[in-house]
Formats: sequence, structure tokens, C-alpha cells
Amino acid sequence: KAGVTQTPRYLIKTRGQQVTLSCSPISGHRSVSWYQQTPGQGLQFLFEYFSETQRNKGNFPGRFSGRQFSNSRSEMNVSTLELGDSALYLCASSLAYGLSGLASYEQYFGPGTRLTVT
Amino acid sequence: GQQVMQIPQYQHVQEGEDFTTYCNSSTTLSNIQWYKQRPGGHPVFLIQLVKSGEVKKQKRLTFQFGEAKKNSSLHITATQTTDVGTYFCAGPRYSGAGSYQLTFGKGTKLSVIP
Repeated sequence: KAGVTQTPRYLIKTRGQQVTLSCSPISGHRSVSWYQQTPGQGLQFLFEYFSETQRNKGNFPGRFSGRQFSNSRSEMNVSTLELGDSALYLCASSLAYGLSGLASYEQYFGPGTRLTVT
Repeated sequence: GQQVMQIPQYQHVQEGEDFTTYCNSSTTLSNIQWYKQRPGGHPVFLIQLVKSGEVKKQKRLTFQFGEAKKNSSLHITATQTTDVGTYFCAGPRYSGAGSYQLTFGKGTKLSVIP
């Protein structure tokens, strides 16, 4: 079974520009979550989509947005880029969202997109 | 809101020594997950603990979930260079309307000196 794929793997943008990142989940997985990883803040949750609907949202400004398509593929958009947006953006897929009894669904992470804002 | 704290932030050990990382939550967790991220890689799921006091082993790795379900630990016996990486714990945080989001600790970065 193919893993989670993310494109592009590396991206260099200038302040003020916008960027779109793409994520293809594992076949059969319907939930896609996005995380921002930086050395100082660690892994921070951005949002989660399931069945084309945003189910969860982290504490990020409105410049960060996303969507999910009917085939479960997801995109994340960041508008008006700032220097502080430089980070590794990770996408993770799981079978579903929420809890199954007391258990959470394990997350399968993609390789990430390394975004550098200059 | 719920936070998941992990200590230590960094750990350097001689190959063959043991290693332990601790995870503490401000609130009771329904479960806790552990992930490993190799240098330059992405987090990979290791295990999930659900029951109070649960202990699970994976070869040289031992995972524990506290009786109060507020803390957890990962212990590696006789570390090897292949154990190098950052270990994260993650617990679900209720975000309303029946939804939960995984909250990750900041991780413990393990270095193994051959």
C-alpha cells in the first residue's frame, strides 16, 4: 500500500506571496490532518478534514486554510507569507477522526514539505 | 487548555546505556500515542496505550501508561545507534462537537554515542 505523499517536497517563497501544498492520503483513509513543525514550537496542529469537511482547527491565523476533495486528497494554502511561516509542513492521514472507544486513530505521516520564506 | 509536556528535551547516551523519556498531561487522557522521528524524516507511529497502568513492550522498548492516565513513559534498554531520533508522545484533546485533536509533546531528542 502506498504511503502518504506530499508535493512539493521543497519550496522557497518570498514574503507576501501565497503557497499551496498538496497531500494524498493512504488509500482508504478519509481523514487528513496538517501540522506545522518548527524547532522551537515542535509539532503544532493546523486542521483536520474528513469527508471534505473541516472537523478541527488549531490556533493559527486565517491566512492558513485548507480543503479536502472527494477523493480525500487535501490541499493547504498559506496566503501573505511571513518569515515565521518557514517550517516543515506535515500531512497525516488516518482511517477516521475522533475516537474509537477510548482509542485514537493512528496517524500516518507524509515526508513533509519544507517551506522557506525569504 | 490541555498540554502535554515531555522531558527531557534532549538526551545524550553512550551506546548500550538505557534511555527514558517522560510525558505528562495536565488532564486525564483517554489514550496516549508514541511516535519516532528519525533525523530528516517524518514521525512514525510506534504504539498506543489505552488502559490505566498499561505496559507494552516492543523488543527493547517498554511503554507505560500511568494509573491516573495523566503520564506515560518510554524506556529503551541498551540503546543502539538505530535508536537515534526524536520521540514524541501525543494525547487527544477534546475540541468540541465530538471532535478530538492530537496534541503532541515537544519531543525528546535522543543522541547515541557509539
